[in-house]
Amino acid sequence: AQSVDQPDAHVTLSEGASLELRCSYSYSAAPYLFWYVQYPGQSLQFLLKYITGDTVVKGTKGFEAEFRKSNSSFNLKKSPAHWSDSAKYFCALEVSNMGYKLTFGTGTSLLVDP
Amino acid sequence: GGIITQTPKFLIGQEGQKLTLKCQQNFNHDTMYWYRQDSGKGLRLIYYSITENDLQKGDLSEGYDASREKKSSFSLTVTSAQKNEMAVFLCASIRTGGAEQYFGPGTRLTVL
Repeated sequence: AQSVDQPDAHVTLSEGASLELRCSYSYSAAPYLFWYVQYPGQSLQFLLKYITGDTVVKGTKGFEAEFRKSNSSFNLKKSPAHWSDSAKYFCALEVSNMGYKLTFGTGTSLLVDP
Repeated sequence: GGIITQTPKFLIGQEGQKLTLKCQQNFNHDTMYWYRQDSGKGLRLIYYSITENDLQKGDLSEGYDASREKKSSFSLTVTSAQKNEMAVFLCASIRTGGAEQYFGPGTRLTVL
């Protein structure tokens, strides 16, 4: 069975610093990987996805993520971080032959101090 | 563009009560989903539907029923509300061929 791990429940950093949120996955086939963001009081919004090809994918709001097959990771990055990036971030794995179902990690709550 | 609407925004029920949550989308997407989001946890799939009148169970389907009578709408019924299932319920949809899921604003369930 597939799974997604986000080992850091909370991350705090100062505005202007570089952010990197960790995500690792377990899946026997080629993964389709996603990052979503949830701002306080709002629903989930799509940030970016990796399907195939370039291992560094760029998304909305200045975010990018790097797919590393060697260690089954898909870390989210942004530099510099802004206070408005404070939100909860979810990594997800799609099982494409089963109705595009997503398996989500437990999320990382990011706080960027202004 | 399009939008997903969920009603009601807040749902309060008594333990043991049958409660229904509704979701509408105007993207003309084929596949729709119901997720449950518990505090401190990720999203867990309850039911999904690939097309009108299709229903597929997710990992958390016990205690829930679903209905997809129209392409644009997907309802979720809590068959007997329990205090341990107080959570936010999120509806989502995706177009045929994949890409990203679009999420609704959620329904927050409180069980008294």
